[in-house]
Amino acid sequence: EAQVTQNPRYLITVTGKKLTVTCSQNMNHEYMSWYRQDPGLGLRQIYYSMNVEVTDKGDVPEGYKVSRKEKRNFPLILESPSPNQTSLYFCASSLRGSQFYGYTFGSGTRLTVV
Amino acid sequence: AQTVTQSQPEMSVQEAETVTLSCTYDTSESDYYLFWYKQPPSRQMILVIRQEAYKQQNATENRFSVNFQKAAKSFSLKISDSQLGDAAMYFCACPHNNNDMRFGAGTRLTVKP
Repeated sequence: EAQVTQNPRYLITVTGKKLTVTCSQNMNHEYMSWYRQDPGLGLRQIYYSMNVEVTDKGDVPEGYKVSRKEKRNFPLILESPSPNQTSLYFCASSLRGSQFYGYTFGSGTRLTVV
Repeated sequence: AQTVTQSQPEMSVQEAETVTLSCTYDTSESDYYLFWYKQPPSRQMILVIRQEAYKQQNATENRFSVNFQKAAKSFSLKISDSQLGDAAMYFCACPHNNNDMRFGAGTRLTVKP
């Protein structure tokens, strides 16, 4: 089944404790992206990657890191999480740009930072 | 600036009735698609329908259709014969170059039996 797999689905952590949210897609998509969803704000892009070893900042990159060492994987790293990073996170992939193809989304990760 | 505005934070509809969700957008792109996504309580983001901006014909997918007014930059979603399973958050999305997709704040749709 073609899909984007995110883990974990839920995560509660403490301020300052490094964490990684994994994302993997099995559709051979070139383009991958991370979004955060907050009430009243919709989804906002954190980082994106157009291909292996090519990443760039989205609208809200502060406090996040990403890497794209393999085409299928695009982990999101929070080096020192803070409470304002409590949010619902989505990984998404697209065959090429989302402009024409839209996104396939993962099932989301609910992160709480206390 | 490229923005997407959904002016209705919440809407409700009676089962089997029709409801229209509004969306306006602003983009400098000349060739693009517009998208509506559905997010049920499971929180999975599901593509409902997409519209090619260079086509005048409105897209239709079963009970879902759009009213696309390019000059007005309006892209509303019409749900006919509403079903209980249509209850969800609905997000309108407009591409922002090849690297981003801008989403509206969402409309929460309630379906009353």
